[in-house]
Amino acid sequence: GDSVTQMEGPVTLSEEAFLTINCTYTATGYPSLFWYVQYPGEGLQLLLKATKADDKGSNKGFEATYRKETTSFHLEKGSVQVSDSAVYFCALIASVSNDYKLSFGAGTTVTVRA
Amino acid sequence: DVKVTQSSRYLVKRTGEKVFLECVQDMDHENMFWYRQDPGLGLRLIYFSYDVKMKEKGDIPEGYSVSREKKERFSLILESASTNQTSMYLCASTSAGAGGNEQFFGPGTRLTVL
Repeated sequence: GDSVTQMEGPVTLSEEAFLTINCTYTATGYPSLFWYVQYPGEGLQLLLKATKADDKGSNKGFEATYRKETTSFHLEKGSVQVSDSAVYFCALIASVSNDYKLSFGAGTTVTVRA
Repeated sequence: DVKVTQSSRYLVKRTGEKVFLECVQDMDHENMFWYRQDPGLGLRLIYFSYDVKMKEKGDIPEGYSVSREKKERFSLILESASTNQTSMYLCASTSAGAGGNEQFFGPGTRLTVL
């Protein structure tokens, strides 16, 4: 079945450090890929997405590129801030045309220290 | 501002009680979802609905049921609560159309079953 594997946390960084969270997927067909973020005490919100191979999603300084050859969608940010402390989820929708169900990774908790 | 609201942020119930979790969205979305979130497991889909009166089982439906009598409201029911249903419950909605659409999440209900 469709699945997402993301690097385990927790990850602790200092401000202005470089952040990478690895995400790989298994899916039939051509999935759409997403990163969601959950700030403390809140629900999830979409951070960025990519719907086809080689697309790059970007938002709030975060980027991720849809790599079909390596079935990956790694999240990166060049200089993190304390406000980036959150849980990050990689997710996919397996079939764009008629399926709205998301499959999520386990989540990676990121803590950024001042 | 689009919104998904959930009836309670925190709930404490006793084993064997019937529990109702309510979710309301104001975006006229056709599709609604219930997930549970547990550390290390990410989000797992319990039930979903693509239309009023329609419901489909997700990955972990056992011990749960749902009701969708109106388009904006999707209720999750724990028929007889058990301690292993202690978890964070998240509701989400999305519009019909291409499957790459963003899911909008509520703030979650943290349920404790004693």
